Amino acid sequence: QSALSQPASVSGSPGQTVSISCIGVSSDVDDNEHVSWYQQSADSVPTLIIYDVDHRPSGVSHRFSGSKSGDTASLTISGLQPEDEADYYCCSYTTTSLYVFGSGTKVTV
Amino acid sequence: EVKLVQSGPELKKSGDSLKISCQASGYRFGNYWIVWVRQRPGKGMEMMGVIYPGDSTTRYSPSLQGQATFPVDKTSETAFLQWRSLQASDTGLYYCARHGFGELTYWGQGTLVTVSS
Repeated sequence: QSALSQPASVSGSPGQTVSISCIGVSSDVDDNEHVSWYQQSADSVPTLIIYDVDHRPSGVSHRFSGSKSGDTASLTISGLQPEDEADYYCCSYTTTSLYVFGSGTKVTV
Repeated sequence: EVKLVQSGPELKKSGDSLKISCQASGYRFGNYWIVWVRQRPGKGMEMMGVIYPGDSTTRYSPSLQGQATFPVDKTSETAFLQWRSLQASDTGLYYCARHGFGELTYWGQGTLVTVSS
């Protein structure tokens, strides 16, 4: 499976809401697909911020939310803050293709 | 506490062999798949493949084309990423991560591999 498609960059002012799309996830519920999102700040290790489409791990800000419609998953960051400036990657997991990452989106605040 | 600690940066020449490590702690090593992820300079992330340390079942990404393997040592609870002959295109940052239920919650700190031609 090819990399999932994300916009190269997204920008917003502090306090605004931005969304990142991730096109190419499976729309077949039988695939039992898991969609996750990772934040990678400059020169840092990727951090899981969303799993199973819309679940937040403990400790992740409520300003991050995920959704999915058809073959498109989305990450929304509300109340944008300077520390949100990072690269964001979506990721699809299926037992067939295993892990397929998105192309990555640079968020600028 | 789950931890994945990777070996330090490597500077190699084309044709060299290399083995980098990922030492796990804080959980039952044999019960969770380890995923190897490559990030080339300035590029996105790409899964190289996965290994189940319990029985060494391995699945490789089609793009890997047999260029690397994933041995494990259950005694030391360490996973490895091994190349027999490096190429300049292998330059990049390599992460190990632990598979959960379809997400990668725990990551190693990454190992930078630089291959000069």
